Amino acid sequence: QQQVKQSPQSLIVQKGGISIINCAYENTAFDYFPWYQQFPGKGPALLIAIRPDVSEKKEGRFTISFNKSAKQFSLHIMDSQPGDSATYFCAASTRYGNKLVFGAGTILRVKS
Amino acid sequence: KAGVTQTPRYLIKTRGQQVTLSCSPISGHRSVSWYQQTPGQGLQFLFEYFSETQRNKGNFPGRFSGRQFSNSRSEMNVSTLELGDSALYLCASRGGGSQETQYFGPGTRLLVL
Repeated sequence: QQQVKQSPQSLIVQKGGISIINCAYENTAFDYFPWYQQFPGKGPALLIAIRPDVSEKKEGRFTISFNKSAKQFSLHIMDSQPGDSATYFCAASTRYGNKLVFGAGTILRVKS
Repeated sequence: KAGVTQTPRYLIKTRGQQVTLSCSPISGHRSVSWYQQTPGQGLQFLFEYFSETQRNKGNFPGRFSGRQFSNSRSEMNVSTLELGDSALYLCASRGGGSQETQYFGPGTRLLVL
């Protein structure tokens, strides 16, 4: 029940295209859903996060869509750029976010 | 503000040895969490410290321990190292209370031979 399932494992997108990564969870106590971006040799960096009281949140080219009834959330990267090539992790935690449960990660490659 | 710093960045140890990793959180942050990242298991939560107290612990054996000092700096220790402990160990700091965002350091890459 603590798992967060992430798909796909890897994704290749053309420059300017839309990258979509999906996550699903079981634990209804999860209350905070962040997405992290990680480049090789670096620690994960927060991209965008959402709480279950909203169905969508947009920051620049990054959008989280959240479906509480289906217990699913997804990351959309619009106008994908080669610089977006990285590993993306979804995560979830209960209130106050002190223990993040991560998905397995998606390796995104944006072809120029 | 300076980010989360971790030392050392790279470490090579042999089986049976012990290791201590250090993490300095963002100034003013009182919560420090540790995560292990491996290709097989992904990112897994080890433990969280807040105001020098361990508040939460993941499913790791007792060989993994940690502590936090009064200045919020944290150390984690792994005793009797095993080959499977080879991983990237990440520290994340958070302001505490209702501040949810965890800011990660660059990690310490541990190789156990």
